[in-house]
Amino acid sequence: EDKVVQSPLSLVVHEGDTVTLNCSYEVTNFRSLLWYKQEKKAPTFLFMLTSSGIEKKSGRLSSILDKKELFSILNITATQTGDSAVYLCAPLNKGAGNMLTFGGGTRLMVKP
Amino acid sequence: DAGVIQSPRHEVTEMGQEVTLRCKPISGHNSLFWYRQTMMRGLELLIYFNNNVPIDDSGMPEDRFSAKMPNASFSTLKIQPSEPRDSAVYFCASSWTGAKNTGELFFGEGSRLTVL
Repeated sequence: EDKVVQSPLSLVVHEGDTVTLNCSYEVTNFRSLLWYKQEKKAPTFLFMLTSSGIEKKSGRLSSILDKKELFSILNITATQTGDSAVYLCAPLNKGAGNMLTFGGGTRLMVKP
Repeated sequence: DAGVIQSPRHEVTEMGQEVTLRCKPISGHNSLFWYRQTMMRGLELLIYFNNNVPIDDSGMPEDRFSAKMPNASFSTLKIQPSEPRDSAVYFCASSWTGAKNTGELFFGEGSRLTVL
């Protein structure tokens, strides 16, 4: 059975801080790993990572994958209150369509 | 693009009643997913359809839950009879699994179900 563990469970920081969110996974036939951001409504897509060591960036957010150690990190620099959300990671198996198994998420709160 | 459309957005019902949640996926997508989200269990996959055919329903909690996809543009998730422990937000998501598949799921806004 696929396992996804995210840490920390929750995090409170102040604007301007840098945060690192962790995602470790065990899947039978790894294809890629996806990160989503969930504010009050539906999860929205952030990144898809397929290759180890290649950083994906989008503004202040960046993410990297380590397929040997089976983990990924999501970094947010110069945090803003709008970054407050639950961040979810989900590994994707080959041959499983796009069936995602989500981790429990990290709840980030950014205070002014 | 209208995105994934779910209805109702909110539903409050009494234990024992039948609940039907509806989903219209993004046009052109060939996969549809129903997820349930609670504080205790997070985001759980209930069932996955590909080309209108159920592929994996191992996440469906029990016989009280059923899902159908009669055509490429419509799916329902039915709970009969409903119980208080079914209270959750139910998300529908769609995706394209053909050529140039990115793996990304597109989520609807969710249906918040409260069973009293």
